[in-house]
Amino acid sequence: DGGITQSPKYLFRKEGQNVTLSCEQNLNHDAMYWYRQDPGQGLRLIYYSQIVNDFQKGDIAEGYSVSREKKESFPLTVTSAQKNPTAFYLCASSIDLTGTSGRELAQYFGPGTRLTVL
Amino acid sequence: GEDVEQSLFLSVREGDSSVINCTYTDSSSTYLYWYKQEPGAGLQLLTYIFSNMDMKQDQRLTVLLNKKDKHLSLRIADTQTGDSAIYFCAGDLGASYSGAGSYQLTFGKGTKLSVIP
Repeated sequence: DGGITQSPKYLFRKEGQNVTLSCEQNLNHDAMYWYRQDPGQGLRLIYYSQIVNDFQKGDIAEGYSVSREKKESFPLTVTSAQKNPTAFYLCASSIDLTGTSGRELAQYFGPGTRLTVL
Repeated sequence: GEDVEQSLFLSVREGDSSVINCTYTDSSSTYLYWYKQEPGAGLQLLTYIFSNMDMKQDQRLTVLLNKKDKHLSLRIADTQTGDSAIYFCAGDLGASYSGAGSYQLTFGKGTKLSVIP
């Protein structure tokens, strides 16, 4: 079955530590995205990547870093510079724009990782 | 940029219809989407509508689009307790298209649907 996996489901971090969230997809999608979700604030885009070895900052990139060494993988590192990292993190992917239907252009989401800073 | 607005809460009785509304400020969207998020889970694509359509029906789901008023709605017929979740509307933007291979969506803040047995 094709899909997006995120690990771990729950993650606890001490203040001052960096932590890396995993995101893997086997949908053969070109684009991948990281969102942060806080209660009542919807989804906010952290970083996105259109192709391997390229990525762009989203609306709230400060304190985060990403890499895109493989098409299937887009890990997110939450650094100690992120002031309020406790949140639910969602990874998504989408096919490129050669798709011809709305479903092909949609973003598909992983199950999320809940990060708690102790 | 585009704002996408939704009411935050909706409560309905089991068996009734639910109508979740969404308004947006930019009319250049090509596709508009509805996602469902159950507690502690990711977003699941429910349905979508192309901007030149007024209505789309998919089993218990009906999407209505009023481009003139920039209003999108999702109607769930015969609402069940399993429909309790947060529902997000999202739209693409001509302005947010950043080139081949990427497709940014703007999401509303989500409407929490509670179904009363």
